[in-house]
Amino acid sequence: NAGVTQTPKFQVLKTGQSMTLQCAQDMNHNSMYWYRQDPGMGLRLIYYSASEGTTDKGEVPNGYNVSRLNKREFSLRLESAAPSQTSVYFCALSRGSRDTQYFGPGTRLTVL
Amino acid sequence: QKEVEQNSGPLSVPEGAIASLNCTYSDRGSQSFFWYRQYSGKSPELIMFIYSNGDKEDGRFTAQLNKASQYVSLLIRDSQPSDSATYLCAVLTDRGSTLGRLYFGRGTQLTVWP
Repeated sequence: NAGVTQTPKFQVLKTGQSMTLQCAQDMNHNSMYWYRQDPGMGLRLIYYSASEGTTDKGEVPNGYNVSRLNKREFSLRLESAAPSQTSVYFCALSRGSRDTQYFGPGTRLTVL
Repeated sequence: QKEVEQNSGPLSVPEGAIASLNCTYSDRGSQSFFWYRQYSGKSPELIMFIYSNGDKEDGRFTAQLNKASQYVSLLIRDSQPSDSATYLCAVLTDRGSTLGRLYFGRGTQLTVWP
């Protein structure tokens, strides 16, 4: 996962709490992504940012917001966490939206 | 219809055998195809990508693509216990947009026993 960091690595929340997952890169890549991975469901795209200052919804955006304030960082915010958001969250990045994606180490989130 | 389909497995092969992992996709306009390996509790790691019909070899790994049949496969020769992992097939498609989107299959769990 050289070049991509995610914080925190683990988090436990109570229903209704909010939190922000952080992703930072030092690879100077344009495109960044947030996925969630659930058992039996595979990787599903939540939001992505093709370039700095732009964001778009993916397959499962409900309950999440994102922010791409600069080229290095892409954050994912849960405003009011729900048990259905218990998952492993991966940040990924690529040079462009048609290029190979590289994944960060992940954040394991549990919502009680 | 799901974008990308894989047999969930588990696939179990003895050490030294050839493991064959298969994937089909629904969008004929798909352009690029990727295989990721994911160890338990870890993040997906790129193994190979392929863009053109035919075979692409990298060490013990061979990716095969048949766009007419909308089929992509990964062969692992001389399988080792360290190859035991979940293998994810991913397909890049743009549906006419300027932006590409990567769609993942649910993964095939491979076990290589000594």
